[in-house]
Amino acid sequence: NAGVTQTPKFRVLKTGQSMTLLCAQDMNHEYMYWYRQDPGMGLRLIHYSVGEGTTAKGEVPDGYNVSRLKKQNFLLGLESAAPSQTSVYFCASSYTYGYTFGSGTRLTVV
Amino acid sequence: AQSVAQPEDQVNVAEGNPLTVKCTYSVSGNPYLFWYVQYPNRGLQFLLKYITGDNLVKGSYGFEAEFNKSQTSFHLKKPSALVSDSALYFCAVSADYGGSQGNLIFGKGTKLSVKP
Repeated sequence: NAGVTQTPKFRVLKTGQSMTLLCAQDMNHEYMYWYRQDPGMGLRLIHYSVGEGTTAKGEVPDGYNVSRLKKQNFLLGLESAAPSQTSVYFCASSYTYGYTFGSGTRLTVV
Repeated sequence: AQSVAQPEDQVNVAEGNPLTVKCTYSVSGNPYLFWYVQYPNRGLQFLLKYITGDNLVKGSYGFEAEFNKSQTSFHLKKPSALVSDSALYFCAVSADYGGSQGNLIFGKGTKLSVKP
């Protein structure tokens, strides 16, 4: 039972490049989330999904898009990366109370 | 709107002494409260939660937290700190939406440093 798996773990992008972060969960959870973690800012919600085929904006959605085509996967896309998107990205899933987190993706945009 | 405050950026404790990491919250309605811990270069790990019932909740690694509705607080405590407790601690809150959980809002985190 892997829980929540994020790929890749590390990535360096040049400004303007695009990429997709993948989150996969094997717990049959309905809810999935993408957060970013920045020093002194805690975790801020980017986008979330309450079920397959649904997505919604969180606190800081600008510059990101998401898709939930399959219940177990939640993709986070950056269409044109900017240095301000340098961060650690965490995916989480939940069923009732409390979240299970992935181990994170460290993204650097240069 | 929901919010969480962790008033201390860092807490320093000597090993063997009791520790407290503070958290206050603001929500409309009944709160769901959580503590998570993050070790360096790792994801967040669940420590404990308050949903309903006894105000004192016990969690992993000997940690406990007390829900105080009048003070809107949910402070994390441990009677005797270990060096291995050194980590970043996050308090989080969500609101009760008719029995289902809303999105978690996290505090900015408190770095706990336990010295030998």
